[in-house]
Amino acid sequence: SAVISQKPSRDICQRGTSLTIQCQVDSQVTMMFWYRQQPGQSLTLIATANQGSEATYESGFVIDKFPISRPNLTFSTLTVSNMSPEDSSIYLCSIQDRRGYTFGSGTRLTVV
Amino acid sequence: ILNVEQSPQSLHVQEGDSTNFTCSFPSSNFYALHWYRWETAKSPEALFVMTLNGDEKKKGRISATLNTKEGYSYLYIKGSQPEDSATYLCAFGAGGTSYGKLTFGQGTILTVHP
Repeated sequence: SAVISQKPSRDICQRGTSLTIQCQVDSQVTMMFWYRQQPGQSLTLIATANQGSEATYESGFVIDKFPISRPNLTFSTLTVSNMSPEDSSIYLCSIQDRRGYTFGSGTRLTVV
Repeated sequence: ILNVEQSPQSLHVQEGDSTNFTCSFPSSNFYALHWYRWETAKSPEALFVMTLNGDEKKKGRISATLNTKEGYSYLYIKGSQPEDSATYLCAFGAGGTSYGKLTFGQGTILTVHP
């Protein structure tokens, strides 16, 4: 199955600032998915990113808050903008492959 | 809004015990049911993908069953070991226009004590 490199693995950020999370895949993939897990909650899909088109956001998530880039078939970024403590979560990227879905190792974000 | 529920939320067992968890999901628009094992600071690891009603899958000491008509799946661990300690997630994959998107349960946190 594919291998995903996600970074940073963790960060502590000041409220009002932004953080960009990167995912690099070792093979070309059509769709990439971005998830969030807030403390005590389920992993929740933020958006689906296809190369060459705008990301599709799930209900409750907007592009201004979570802009996504997908410049090619192996790379994507998710930015968490104007952060507040409620954005403290684990963020994961994912792709669909032969085994089902493969995930990055996650970014643990704490907003203070 | 899809509802995927897992029980129990957490479980403490002794080494050598066998245990099982439950995942309930919508019985309509079903495409696949996924089980993952997630250790802290690591990627969720795929255990099983199940698509057919009545599916049973096995990987070493871990096995899973699927009932799509009533909307539940069981994950079994036989002879638990401390290295089995992790969060076990199930995820519902819908068909149709929602294909490709997973809806996760909250997970079952398993702790196996030596």
